[in-house]
Amino acid sequence: DAKTTQPPSMDCAEGRAANLPCNHSTISGNEYVYWYRQIHSQGPQYIIHGLKNNETNEMASLIITEDRKSSTLILPHATLRDTAVYYCIVRVDMDTDKLIFGTGTRLQVFP
Amino acid sequence: ETGVTQSPTHLIKTRGQQVTLRCSSQSGHNTVSWYQQALGQGPQFIFQYYREEENGRGNFPPRFSGLQFPNYSSELNVNALELDDSALYLCASSVTGGSGNTIYFGEGSWLTVV
Repeated sequence: DAKTTQPPSMDCAEGRAANLPCNHSTISGNEYVYWYRQIHSQGPQYIIHGLKNNETNEMASLIITEDRKSSTLILPHATLRDTAVYYCIVRVDMDTDKLIFGTGTRLQVFP
Repeated sequence: ETGVTQSPTHLIKTRGQQVTLRCSSQSGHNTVSWYQQALGQGPQFIFQYYREEENGRGNFPPRFSGLQFPNYSSELNVNALELDDSALYLCASSVTGGSGNTIYFGEGSWLTVV
């Protein structure tokens, strides 16, 4: 089972920041948090991942709380093309590329 | 673009038949994994190949099998197809290097079993 809990859906106005929360209260010290998104009928797109420190790349920022029990993915300026299902994943298997996907958050960006 | 390419993009098979799906990993990636995504659900891990050997498997029966070739490309084979095998099959690749590596997915192959 997935170790994460996400809201099933969120809305965001175009041009505003989208803040997607994720709870992972049972995360272990060496387990990474990954974020992917999936636009309808396409493969999952990698966004970002982190262990303890906050991370930023050209797509998004990942804020992980100090106790690591929750995180937030931030899309700084949402566009209509950011409408997708966003998956927060705690990677529990250190020996394989096995990712356990939950149900994700369906983000709808509106004009 | 992730550099992970899959073929075919769509195909239709009859129950009981066999199917082979193909994947070319991103350049420099030596690990390939396969996922099944049924309609309305998240992807589920089938198995992983590294150095041409399966080294991790999810909860899928033996009729799901695979191969990895010296150039790191891979095949997923499914025998005795069932209606429930209808799904999007995703290939992912990475450079093995511990739990913090980045895993990239292809666009998938849509399989319909009738």
